[in-house]
Amino acid sequence: EVLLVESGGGLVQPGGSLRLSCAASGFTLSDHYMDWVRQAPGKGLEWVGRTKDKAESYTTEYAASVKGRFTISRDGSENSLYLQMNSLKTEDTAVYYCVRVDCSGGNCYNKPFDVWGPGTMVAVSS
Amino acid sequence: IQLTQSPSSLSASVGDRVTITCRASQDIRSYLAWYQQKLGKAPKFLIYAASTLQSGVPSRFSGSGSGTDFTLTISSLQPEDSATYYCQQILSYPLTFGGGTKVEIK
Repeated sequence: EVLLVESGGGLVQPGGSLRLSCAASGFTLSDHYMDWVRQAPGKGLEWVGRTKDKAESYTTEYAASVKGRFTISRDGSENSLYLQMNSLKTEDTAVYYCVRVDCSGGNCYNKPFDVWGPGTMVAVSS
Repeated sequence: IQLTQSPSSLSASVGDRVTITCRASQDIRSYLAWYQQKLGKAPKFLIYAASTLQSGVPSRFSGSGSGTDFTLTISSLQPEDSATYYCQQILSYPLTFGGGTKVEIK
């Protein structure tokens, strides 16, 4: 069974840091683009960023709202994805979802998110 | 690329036909996906390439459109379809979502 499970959420003060983890099982992480998506309380979905697959050297893309503050990385040996969040702001308060991009046919380009984790809550407040 | 969904919410009866629209601020060809999010849960992938149903999704769901105008249709609304529906463009960065349409059962 393909599963994603996030962890590491919690309460942090403005300006602080937090690292989220996403444990993947049932598939090979290196074969997929992997993204983070967030959802502020009572709001819609916002794309945070992406790490591409091994074939594309795990290059990354970020939303303008987090670029320079957030970093996405992987640990292939542990089949895990990470989101390092620095200089946190109150507006970063949200549920953060780890998502897998559908790479069926060996192509991840312009493909949707086919698997979502249950999410982990991050609250930024003093 | 901005995506505008309408309506933002609707209430319909079991068995009704429901249509949700998603308009893109520029041509996104068929690079549009739809997701369903039930209260307190993660979104679930429904439709890709504007009209291709994900495996396991009931056939009462369908999608259409290309370019800038897209629709998600539920042909016969069921109680378990109560949820918020989001469209997403997957053409270019930053990937963006519509604001969502909340579907309630009367």
